[in-house]
Amino acid sequence: EVQLVESGGGLVQPGGSLKLSCAASGFTFSGSAMHWVRQASGKGLEWVGRVRSKANSYATAYAASVKGRFTISRDDSKSTAYLQMNSLKTEDTAVYYCTRLLSGLDVWGQGTTVTVSS
Amino acid sequence: DIQMTQSPSSLSASVGDRVTITCRASQGISNYLAWYQQKPGKVPKLLIYAASTLQSGVPSRFSGSGSGTDFTLTISSLQPGDVATYYCQRYNSAPFTFGPGTKVDI
Repeated sequence: EVQLVESGGGLVQPGGSLKLSCAASGFTFSGSAMHWVRQASGKGLEWVGRVRSKANSYATAYAASVKGRFTISRDDSKSTAYLQMNSLKTEDTAVYYCTRLLSGLDVWGQGTTVTVSS
Repeated sequence: DIQMTQSPSSLSASVGDRVTITCRASQGISNYLAWYQQKPGKVPKLLIYAASTLQSGVPSRFSGSGSGTDFTLTISSLQPGDVATYYCQRYNSAPFTFGPGTKVDI
């Protein structure tokens, strides 16, 4: 079964850091581009960023709202993608989804909740 | 960056109605356009990719069309289970922007 499972969410103070993980199974992770999408409560979907495969030099790209604060990486040996979030702001509070890009984002995790609050 | 807009922002229709949602890109994106359905409290689900290709397992009452800057998602006969918010997304290049969503009610 193709599956993505996020972990690492929680409560963090403004200015703090958090690292999310996304464990993949059931497909060839190493050949897949992995994306992160977030959704604040009652709001729409916001693309956060992505990391491409080794064949594409592990290229990363980010939304303007997180560029310079968030870093996406991957460990193909563990079939896991990561989202390192630094300098967190209250507006980063959201459910964070890990997802795979094939043609469109065809596989999604269940999401992990990040709350930035003092 | 390329902006994505959707219209309407919400609609209410009856069971069996034909429903059309429009998505527009501020610049041409060829056919690198996907549609997603998100039911309340659920994870988004890919419906259509490459503007008009139905994802496996998606009912045939859903269809997509368009290329360049203007795209449409059509539900040929609305069903109660189609109550959801629908999002378009471009994926030709980063940033992979989503549209603001269209909420469909019955």
